[in-house]
Amino acid sequence: DAGVIQSPRHEVTEMGQEVTLRCKPISGHDYLFWYRQTMMRGLELLIYFNNNVPIDDSGMPEDRFSAKMPNASFSTLKIQPSEPRDSAVYFCASSSGGAGGNTIYFGEGSWLTVV
Amino acid sequence: ILNVEQSPQSLHVQEGDSTNFTCSFPSSNFYALHWYRWETAKSPEALFVMTLNGDEKKKGRISATLNTKEGYSYLYIKGSQPEDSATYLCASNYNTNAGKSTFGDGTTLTVKP
Repeated sequence: DAGVIQSPRHEVTEMGQEVTLRCKPISGHDYLFWYRQTMMRGLELLIYFNNNVPIDDSGMPEDRFSAKMPNASFSTLKIQPSEPRDSAVYFCASSSGGAGGNTIYFGEGSWLTVV
Repeated sequence: ILNVEQSPQSLHVQEGDSTNFTCSFPSSNFYALHWYRWETAKSPEALFVMTLNGDEKKKGRISATLNTKEGYSYLYIKGSQPEDSATYLCASNYNTNAGKSTFGDGTTLTVKP
């Protein structure tokens, strides 16, 4: 099993630029999550999907952030325009069925630095 | 706002010591409790998922218990080894939004050889 695959692993971009993070969940998993990890706020859920449909996006910081899941094997998290305070590690994760009570598998994260 | 608290924040032990950490969480509408092991520069790795009051899970030298009525879970490591050094996170889920995990800040364990 390839696990959850994220790209890019590292990105450094200038303030104001658009950033797109990509995620391929584990095949067969029907839940997909985007998390952000910062020193100040720890690990926080941004948005999650069930069967490609966004279920809860209450954690998305503001309108500059958007996430899509066009099919079961691909999701994107976009930041436009990016700001220095968006610098963080962004994790994608997936699970199979009944997300709350089943194991969640994390990708290796996308380390974003906005200068 | 749900508050998941972990204690202690950090812990330094000698190789061979046994140790335990606590995760406290709101018990109302409880659905599930997750424990993760998180090494620096890696992704969180799931250890256990527990849903029932009184659940006990074990994986090698690591075990966990769950008390949903009073809202706490313990993680135990028997005979700590240097490779156990990591941050241990817990996260709780609730019936009101079962897919959403609320994470604690973690307990960082350092095991000295």
